[in-house]
Amino acid sequence: KQEVTQIPAALSVPEGENLVLNCSFTDSAIYNLQWFRQDPGKGLTSLLLIQSSQREQTSGRLNASLDKSSGRSTLYIAASQPGDSATYLCAVRYVSNYQLIWGAGTKLIIKP
Amino acid sequence: DGGITQSPKYLFRKEGQNVTLSCEQNLNHDAMYWYRQDPGQGLRLIYYSQIVNDFQKGDIAEGYSVSREKKESFPLTVTSAQKNPTAFYLCASASGGNTGELFFGEGSRLTVL
Repeated sequence: KQEVTQIPAALSVPEGENLVLNCSFTDSAIYNLQWFRQDPGKGLTSLLLIQSSQREQTSGRLNASLDKSSGRSTLYIAASQPGDSATYLCAVRYVSNYQLIWGAGTKLIIKP
Repeated sequence: DGGITQSPKYLFRKEGQNVTLSCEQNLNHDAMYWYRQDPGQGLRLIYYSQIVNDFQKGDIAEGYSVSREKKESFPLTVTSAQKNPTAFYLCASASGGNTGELFFGEGSRLTVL
């Protein structure tokens, strides 16, 4: 069964720390992997899309890596700020069925 | 500004009534999606459409219906057959066909009274 797992489910860190969020997937045959953030009561905002042929993508203080062989992606957030507090979700598009498989998310709290 | 617009933002419905949620995009995307999000649960796919006049059921299509008469629009009707319709509904569209980057609207919260 194709699954996506995000650990931990929740994370609380002091402002200014660098942190890593994890996303694991069960099948290496993927088209791409996408990271999103969701603020309470809001829609999802796309952060980074990594295609199958890529190893990493960067946007500002965010860096996402992809290791298909180990079935892992990490989202690195540098110099965290209270405004980074949100739920972060990853979604994997598997080759076999085209549809996105979603992780349950990591709820991140950055303490001032 | 390009984007996805969902309306209404909040909707209250009496039991037994059908309601329609609007989703409009001006991103020129071919693929559009409807998801349902419940507290503490992940996103679940209701319906998706890869092209005008064509759509497919997702994992939880029962009690819902859609149409795709125009590229820009993908309305979702929550029918009285949906047994537990109170939820947060999210519309999305994808660039580059069905494997492209996904973009979301702000969501519609439906509450059944």
